[in-house]
Amino acid sequence: EAGVVQSPRYKIIEKKQPVAFWCNPISGHNTLYWYRQNLGQGPELLIRYENEEAVDDSQLPKDRFSAERLKGVDSTLKIQPAELGDSAVYLCASSPGVSPLHFGNGTRLTVT
Amino acid sequence: GDSVTQMEGPVTLSEEAFLTINCTYTATGYPSLFWYVQYPGEGLQLLLKATKADDKGSNKGFEATYRKETTSFHLEKGSVQVSDSAVYFCALSRDDKIIFGKGTRLHILP
Repeated sequence: EAGVVQSPRYKIIEKKQPVAFWCNPISGHNTLYWYRQNLGQGPELLIRYENEEAVDDSQLPKDRFSAERLKGVDSTLKIQPAELGDSAVYLCASSPGVSPLHFGNGTRLTVT
Repeated sequence: GDSVTQMEGPVTLSEEAFLTINCTYTATGYPSLFWYVQYPGEGLQLLLKATKADDKGSNKGFEATYRKETTSFHLEKGSVQVSDSAVYFCALSRDDKIIFGKGTRLHILP
């Protein structure tokens, strides 16, 4: 089966600019996650979707981050405006239930 | 709240050495426990899991036993290879939430 696909792999932007990340989960996986992984740290959950519904967005900084999962398949995570501290790897994962998670290769964001 | 604590890395071993990476957890109830591995430039992959006390997860020569009495899920391998060099993450799952440890980087020298 095809894995979780994320794009772009790398993104470099200046602070205060907007940025968007895209994720295509594994076909049939109803649950989709966005995680942020800072250097030397484990992934931290930003938002979890069950189909098109965001069921846990308690850790999403809503003043600048937004996400959507239209039609319950692909998802987009947006940051506007980006700050220096947003530099990290943004991971998308999907699962048929709660576990196990299948991760994409991530998008490495550098904010300068 | 729930949390996972792993031994800090990096861990450097010679090929064919015995590996242990310690992991302990704090959680109410009965979480499921996992080890994920992240190879350079790739996303995390599930390595093994255990869903209840005394279960042993195993895969690719790695093993970990769910110890409720010590709230631990230590990762072991009898003879490591250079290709095992990666970052290893311990994680727990409870009430639809998955929490990861900070990861342990493993270097295997030929």
